[in-house]
Amino acid sequence: DQQVKQNSPSLSVQEGRISILNCDYTNSMFDYFLWYKKYPAEGPTFLISISSIKDKNEDGRFTVFLNKSAKHLSLHIVPSQPGDSAVYFCAASETSGTYKYIFGTGTRLKVLA
Amino acid sequence: NAGVMQNPRHLVRRRGQEARLRCSPMKGHSHVYWYRQLPEEGLKFMVYLQKENIIDESGMPKERFSAEFPKEGPSILRIQQVVRGDSAAYFCASSAAGTGNQPQHFGDGTRLSIL
Repeated sequence: DQQVKQNSPSLSVQEGRISILNCDYTNSMFDYFLWYKKYPAEGPTFLISISSIKDKNEDGRFTVFLNKSAKHLSLHIVPSQPGDSAVYFCAASETSGTYKYIFGTGTRLKVLA
Repeated sequence: NAGVMQNPRHLVRRRGQEARLRCSPMKGHSHVYWYRQLPEEGLKFMVYLQKENIIDESGMPKERFSAEFPKEGPSILRIQQVVRGDSAAYFCASSAAGTGNQPQHFGDGTRLSIL
């Protein structure tokens, strides 16, 4: 049972445009959500997170939106840069639990110069 | 480098041997998590430890796998009698003590290959 889903395995975007990566979840107990970026042969790097009490969190070029009623979150990258090319994972957890993360399967973003 | 340190980066074992993966958390972090990633999949939670305690091992296979985080030294993920299906990337993460709203920071992983 995949509790966190990233339905787009890949995405290509022109440099300078907006990249939108999507994530859906099924467990209504999740209340903390994160996005990680991963390059080949490296570990995931934390990008941005959002608590369920918010619907938006912004950090520089990265903004995460949370729609609790739809159980959907998205990551917006504006403007996209070639260095953003990587695999992006969304993750979710229950902060009342043991803080383990449930990860999606990832979206491979390619930013074209 | 004050990040999460994992070693070895690559480990090759023959079927039936033991594999030991080490993880030193970030300075000041007392929570350690182990995840496994199979090719083309996301990371799957295995076990969550604090110093000298296993808090949640619900994602770890009941047989052949064990984990520890001793008072002194790194956390160890141990796989006994390895099989081909154990081939994967194993990632360790750490976080600061406190609430769940602390992001976990990951090491670069150990890539385990079983011959």
